[in-house]
Amino acid sequence: AQSVTQLGSHVSVSEGALVLLRCNYSSSVPPYLFWYVQYPNQGLQLLLKYTSAATLVKGINGFEAEFKKSETSFHLTKPSAHMSDAAEYFCAVRSTGNQFYFGTGTSLTVIP
Amino acid sequence: GAGVSQSPSNKVTEKGKDVELRCDPISGHTALYWYRQSLGQGLEFLIYFQGNSAPDKSGLPSDRFSAERTGGSVSTLTIQRTQQEDSAVYLCASSSGTSGGAVDTQYFGPGTRLTVL
Repeated sequence: AQSVTQLGSHVSVSEGALVLLRCNYSSSVPPYLFWYVQYPNQGLQLLLKYTSAATLVKGINGFEAEFKKSETSFHLTKPSAHMSDAAEYFCAVRSTGNQFYFGTGTSLTVIP
Repeated sequence: GAGVSQSPSNKVTEKGKDVELRCDPISGHTALYWYRQSLGQGLEFLIYFQGNSAPDKSGLPSDRFSAERTGGSVSTLTIQRTQQEDSAVYLCASSSGTSGGAVDTQYFGPGTRLTVL
């Protein structure tokens, strides 16, 4: 069975500081992994996805994530936080049956 | 083209009433998903439709919940005899439904916020 765990339900960073949102997955097969962002009062948008082509995946808005099989992790990073990055972030894994399992989300606050 | 749309955007109902939530997927997408997002929680999978195959209903929390998808397009999620714990945002997503190694990406609608009084 597949699942994801997001460590830290709330993360606060200063504007301009590094953003690191953690995601660990559990999968019995090579996973497909995703990060989604949900801005206030909006639907979920795809940030990036890992499809086994490259371990470092670049997404929109300057975000990237690195797949580390040895650590079963897919952490999301951004070198310099912007006020507009304040949102809820969800990590997800896709099963072989095309179901998606989401983490409980991490709320990112950016402090000016 | 247009994205995934859901209606209504907000629904307030009284305990014990039935509600219907509608999802219009992206044209041509064969896969459709329903999720529930409760306050402070992640997305809870409810049901998954793929083409003409039998839907995966493994996430439905009780027999008060049902969903159908007519003509392989529009889907309706029905909650009978609503309870206060059903209050949540119900999200619909669709994807192209490709397989064979291609990675499917979900596109989400804006959700329906259901409040049961």
